[in-house]
Amino acid sequence: GQNIDQPTEMTATEGAIVQINCTYQTSGFNGLFWYQQHAGEAPTFLSYNVLDGLEEKGRFSSFLSRSKGYSYLLLKELQMKDSASYLCAVNTGGFKTIFGAGTRLFVKA
Amino acid sequence: DAGITQSPRHKVTETGTPVTLRCHQTENHRYMYWYRQDPGHGLRLIHYSYGVKDTDKGEVSDGYSVSRSKTEDFLLTLESATSSQTSVYFCAISPGTAAGRDTQYFGPGTRLTVL
Repeated sequence: GQNIDQPTEMTATEGAIVQINCTYQTSGFNGLFWYQQHAGEAPTFLSYNVLDGLEEKGRFSSFLSRSKGYSYLLLKELQMKDSASYLCAVNTGGFKTIFGAGTRLFVKA
Repeated sequence: DAGITQSPRHKVTETGTPVTLRCHQTENHRYMYWYRQDPGHGLRLIHYSYGVKDTDKGEVSDGYSVSRSKTEDFLLTLESATSSQTSVYFCAISPGTAAGRDTQYFGPGTRLTVL
């Protein structure tokens, strides 16, 4: 079967660092995506990893370990506007992608 | 932002009625997708298209059909709506140029309620 697990909710403080974990078990793997989705809005692309290691993009970084079926999204210098759901998604082959249920992040002052 | 629109944005209908949702893109992307998003389930693929008249089923395709007669339009039809199809429906597009790293761009969503 295909499975992507993420924590349902997390809370962090403005200015802090938060790490959102994602574990996956899929029949194929062609890359892992992170999307951000604000309440009532469409998901938007944040990052893509296909090789092991860390990809950094401004305040956001994403890490992948293919042998462990594990990824995390690291958000630094948290801002109130980072309050959103973060979706982990795996491309399982061709142009098919499966999504986790998402982690809702609350940033408090 | 990718040029992708969905219509209608909100719809309330009754059980047993047919419903058609429209997705329109101006990016000339090859791939188009329909997802539904429900609490606790995340985004689940209903159908996708890899070209005009070329479509395939996703993981939750029962009760849904699609058509793509033009590159820019992808229609999702609920032949006879049921309450279990109450959901938020997202259309997505991707260029189709790099399997595996093809980023998807999402439309604003359609909130469908079936009474």
